[in-house]
Amino acid sequence: AQSVTQLGSHVSVSEGALVLLRCNYSSSVPPYLFWYVQYPNQGLQLLLKYTTGATLVKGINGFEAEFKKSETSFHLTKPSAHMSDAAEYFCAVSDNSGGSNYKLTFGKGTLLTVNP
Amino acid sequence: EPEVTQTPSHQVTQMGQEVILRCVPISNHLYFYWYRQILGQKVEFLVSFYNNEISEKSEIFDDQFSVERPDGSNFTLKIRSTKLEDSAMYFCASRREGLFQPQHFGDGTRLSIL
Repeated sequence: AQSVTQLGSHVSVSEGALVLLRCNYSSSVPPYLFWYVQYPNQGLQLLLKYTTGATLVKGINGFEAEFKKSETSFHLTKPSAHMSDAAEYFCAVSDNSGGSNYKLTFGKGTLLTVNP
Repeated sequence: EPEVTQTPSHQVTQMGQEVILRCVPISNHLYFYWYRQILGQKVEFLVSFYNNEISEKSEIFDDQFSVERPDGSNFTLKIRSTKLEDSAMYFCASRREGLFQPQHFGDGTRLSIL
């Protein structure tokens, strides 16, 4: 079984400050990991993904995440927050075991607010 | 860029009634999914659909629920005899064939059971 833990249901930063959203996962097979963003009244938009290869992955809107197997983490960062980054962020792990259908298991989400 | 579209955006229904939530996945995608998000809780997997049949379902997806791909484009979730606890945001997602393909989500249908 897979699981995702997002530390901090709410993170507040100042505009221009570093954004760090934490995600730890549990998986019995090599994981595929994703970050999705949800703006108010919208669906889930893919920010970035890790499947294999380079452990530092870059996504849209200046976000990046680093896969650290030893720490079972996939934290999301952005060097400088912008007001438009205010949204809810979800970390997810894909079940890619044999015969699976790649269903996603999500964390509870982290609401990011950006203060002017 | 192609999108997953869901209708309606908001559905209000009396308890005990049947509802059908509709989704149009991206046209060249072969895997289809439904997830739900109860207010304040995490997004939960309901069911996946591939090759015209259910490929996996969660324990939430009981006999009250069914899915169908009635034609080449639509993918529907039917909830028979709705309960108050079915109130949630329901998301449809689709993905292409292939190992590393991400799921693409629609904007969701907010279902309110009165």
